[in-house]
Amino acid sequence: GDSVTQMEGPVTLSEEAFLTINCTYTATGYPSLFWYVQYPGEGLQLLLKATKADDKGSNKGFEATYRKETTSFHLEKGSVQVSDSAVYFCALSDTGFQKLVFGTGTRLLVSP
Amino acid sequence: GAGVSQTPSNKVTEKGKYVELRCDPISGHTALYWYRQSLGQGPEFLIYFQGTGAADDSGLPNDRFFAVRPEGSVSTLKIQRTERGDSAVYLCASSYTTRGELFFGEGSRLTVL
Repeated sequence: GDSVTQMEGPVTLSEEAFLTINCTYTATGYPSLFWYVQYPGEGLQLLLKATKADDKGSNKGFEATYRKETTSFHLEKGSVQVSDSAVYFCALSDTGFQKLVFGTGTRLLVSP
Repeated sequence: GAGVSQTPSNKVTEKGKYVELRCDPISGHTALYWYRQSLGQGPEFLIYFQGTGAADDSGLPNDRFFAVRPEGSVSTLKIQRTERGDSAVYLCASSYTTRGELFFGEGSRLTVL
């Protein structure tokens, strides 16, 4: 079945550092890919998405590019802030948003 | 309210007891989803509703789990004869349509002793 693998955390960075969180996927079809974020005490929120190969999703300074050849959707940000501290989940869906398959999550800790 | 509301936020019960978890979706959202997140794992799909009917319940782990949405708004997830392995955070989400963005609640944390 479909699956998502993402790097284990926690990822610990200083403010203004460059961030990469790796995500690779296995799917039989051509899924849509997502990054969700969960801030402390809040529900999961959609951060960005890409629906086809070579699409780049972006939001709040975060970016991820749908790479079909490497089955990857790595999350990047050029300069992280303390407020970016959260758990980040990579996810895919073969059916739009209906049934999301999530990775295990990566905790990001940003220190001042 | 403005977002998806889930009650209770925390529930502690004993093995073998019956539990109900409630989800109030965003007003006007026709699709509603339940996910389960065990410790250290990502959320896993359980079931989703389009209106009052369960459109896909393939993620329910066994027949002890059941969910309803009788009027197409509020949904209740029901767990019979709870087991310690049912301990998890149960997440509810809603969307305007089944092809739209999901908005998640904060979850109901269930602990089975």
